[in-house]
This record gives sequence, C-alpha cells and structure tokens, in this order.
Amino acid sequence: QKEVEQNSGPLSVPEGAIASLNCTYSDRGSQSFFWYRQYSGKSPELIMFIYSNGDKEDGRFTAQLNKASQYVSLLIRDSQPSDSATYLCAVIRDSNYQLIWGAGTKLIIKP
Amino acid sequence: DAGVIQSPRHEVTEMGQEVTLRCKPISGHDYLFWYRQTMMRGLELLIYFNNNVPIDDSGMPEDRFSAKMPNASFSTLKIQPSEPRDSAVYFCASRKGPGDSPLHFGNGTRLTVT
Repeated sequence: QKEVEQNSGPLSVPEGAIASLNCTYSDRGSQSFFWYRQYSGKSPELIMFIYSNGDKEDGRFTAQLNKASQYVSLLIRDSQPSDSATYLCAVIRDSNYQLIWGAGTKLIIKP
Repeated sequence: DAGVIQSPRHEVTEMGQEVTLRCKPISGHDYLFWYRQTMMRGLELLIYFNNNVPIDDSGMPEDRFSAKMPNASFSTLKIQPSEPRDSAVYFCASRKGPGDSPLHFGNGTRLTVT
C-alpha cells in the first residue's frame, strides 16, 4: 500500500461543475496536508494546505480533511478549462517530517 | 522575489557524459530539495539539505549521483556517468522552516540522455 494514494484519472468534469479530487494516506499521525497543482511541462505550485479537521476555503477551492478516515479532498467550484492540470496531494510523515507525495490526479475540464 | 532558479532548463547529452544541474534557492530558505519526476515513478525525493548540510540522501539512486550545497545560495546535482534511464525532469525546491511550511519549486531541468 502506498503511503499517499490518489486516483490517477483522468477525471473529466464539464465546465462550471464541481471537481472533486480525493487523497488517502496511511500514516495516522500525519498532521499537515497539501494540494499542489502542476500544469503540463511546468513545476508543481502550492494551492492549498490544511492542518485541521473540517473544511478550508480559498476562493473557488475548498480543502476537506478527515483525520479519522485518513482522507483529504480538494473541491474546485465553477470549474474552468484553466483548472485542467494534474493535482498532487502531499502529506507530512509524522515519524520524520518528510513530505510524501501522491502520484497525482489528472483533471480535465471540458468546455 | 525571484523564486527558485534552476539551470539549464533543458539538457541533452550522450550516455557516459557528466551532467551538472544547478539551483539557486529563495533567499532566506534553509531547506533545499532535489526531486526527480518521471511518468512511471512520479515525483521522487533524491536528497535534501538543511542549512547547507545534507540530511537525507537515501533517495539518490546510485553512486553516479552526487549533490553539493557549498553555500546557502547554490546547490548542484551531478550525474557521472549519465545513462538513458536518468532521463527525467529534475526539480529543485526550497522551503523556509520546518516540514509544514510550503515548498517552492524551480522550473525544473528536463534531462535527456541518448
């Protein structure tokens, strides 16, 4: 079992709809969670981080964390074609504070 | 702020040649990371430094890979001799402070070894 798991996709969502990206992790002690966006041929860029259970909203983006179930999700409201990218979930491993990456989910927003 | 600066952006070399990738972290950042990204393996951590000192190099694939950080504003990743399976995008990233601080990536170096 991978430490951080994501569905590789592609996830196809119509423009204007809500895109829902999910990530599960195995280290129950993990406390810090990140979502990075990576456009094709570009470097990853941080879009959200969350440390506490519940929801955290930033513009069209909402990160949701459920530590009991060990999953973190990213919702993108009013999806735009410019949101088409690969979304990487990253989790801080509690034992050595290292950042562990998921393989990423490719999101395609169809006009 | 200039961000993390990597050079070169693209490198094409023949098998057996030495390759040196360069990175300038964001000023004031005390952690520097070297990653490799491929379609098959995703993003892999090769090595990271804290205050110019290598902390964990367990991700370095083999002795052909070496990394240095002679000062707070410069790091190199060297591959000698290079092999076709080293072809990948190599990212440098830096961070200020402990593990829950955001990571800032450079634009990457796309390495092709023929």
